[in-house]
Amino acid sequence: DTAVSQTPKYLVTQMGNDKSIKCEQNLGHDTMYWYKQDSKKFLKIMFSYNNKELIINETVPNRFSPKSPDKAHLNLHINSLELGDSAVYFCASSQEDGIDGYTFGSGTRLTVV
Amino acid sequence: EDQVTQSPEALRLQEGESSSLNCSYTVSGLRGLFWYRQDPGKGPEFLFTLYSAGEEKEKERLKATLTKKESFLHITAPKPEDSATYLCAVQASGSWGKLQFGAGTQVVVTP
Repeated sequence: DTAVSQTPKYLVTQMGNDKSIKCEQNLGHDTMYWYKQDSKKFLKIMFSYNNKELIINETVPNRFSPKSPDKAHLNLHINSLELGDSAVYFCASSQEDGIDGYTFGSGTRLTVV
Repeated sequence: EDQVTQSPEALRLQEGESSSLNCSYTVSGLRGLFWYRQDPGKGPEFLFTLYSAGEEKEKERLKATLTKKESFLHITAPKPEDSATYLCAVQASGSWGKLQFGAGTQVVVTP
């Protein structure tokens, strides 16, 4: 019974396309996150929602838009994909500010060609 | 700006050969320092949170310690299943929910 599940696991798409990644957690957590892991393996936060409210919005192009329909779901929509968007995107969840640890999903590997 | 530097980048150990990983950090007020383990093709898995200098936490063959400037992750008598990338992260006071990660140390334990 997966705690944080992301779909799809792999996404290959052409430049200029629009795509979405979905995330769901069944842990009852109230905070969800999107992180990006680049080719050098650095994990960098993009967005965070607490109880459906946007809390963290890092310096991310406007082409990236998160949406949280409820506490258990956080989606990421990306418009006009660029080559530089290729990375692994991780969804995570936590209780409150995550001081007791995040639970990460298994990631979505996005390849833009 | 908050910064996390991990060393070494990679570590190759024989089974049973104990070693330590280092995480140096600068942060404007520490809320917590975290260790995560990441296996290839998977998301990071939470190991520990350390809150203040002098604190230590243990889990099986892993022991994490914290000073005001760095944290160490000691791996005692490692086994091949301890092979993974170990990530250190800090959360600054006032940075609600935001983790600043280091680049990680890739550990390979050979039989």
